[in-house]
Amino acid sequence: EADIYQTPRYLVIGTGKKITLECSQTMGHDKMYWYQQDPGMELHLIHYSYGVNSTEKGDLSSESTVSRIRTEHFPLTLESARPSHTSQYLCASRSFEQGANSPLHFGNGTRLTVT
Amino acid sequence: KNQVEQSPQSLIILEGKNCTLQCNYTVSPFSNLRWYKQDTGRGPVSLTIMTFSENTKSNGRYTATLDADTKQSSLHITASQLSDSASYICVVRKGANNLFFGTGTRLTVIP
Repeated sequence: EADIYQTPRYLVIGTGKKITLECSQTMGHDKMYWYQQDPGMELHLIHYSYGVNSTEKGDLSSESTVSRIRTEHFPLTLESARPSHTSQYLCASRSFEQGANSPLHFGNGTRLTVT
Repeated sequence: KNQVEQSPQSLIILEGKNCTLQCNYTVSPFSNLRWYKQDTGRGPVSLTIMTFSENTKSNGRYTATLDADTKQSSLHITASQLSDSASYICVVRKGANNLFFGTGTRLTVIP
């Protein structure tokens, strides 16, 4: 099992609320990622980071923001949740030293429902 | 159109039987192809990686193949077990950083 943790596992909130999804890894990986996963669809990259103070937007247009103040921590924040944000959010990390052949290590996800 | 297509979308087999999952891709330039297993309620876990020079690679009861000329890969599961029930996701890397995900094959193994 990979040492990458996401909290909470499940979250149900009302429209307009601000939320933060937590992701932490203990492997010392420089690269971290947030993906959105919907049933029957491919994973979509929302944000990524190649190290402390480095954050980039991914392919999927998102109203979320991320921060990377510490290597091990990569939280994702939604300032104002909407029903369209209902989805599964997966955090992942990867070793920089192992190059392009290193695998993604995923957390178990946060299932977000916005009512 | 997704650059990584997987088939079938879903599959139900009897315990002990073999099955083969397909992944076709158009991603170029190709760097590597990885198969992940995702159990319900969990994150994906890497099963195996195929690089350009590899044709076949085994990991226990899982055997992956790659035909870089036709841009096809398969994942063969031998003597299936109930614990093999999961989604299997094919991921192709383009160059150094870009990943392209398939939509997965949902495998159900029944007793």
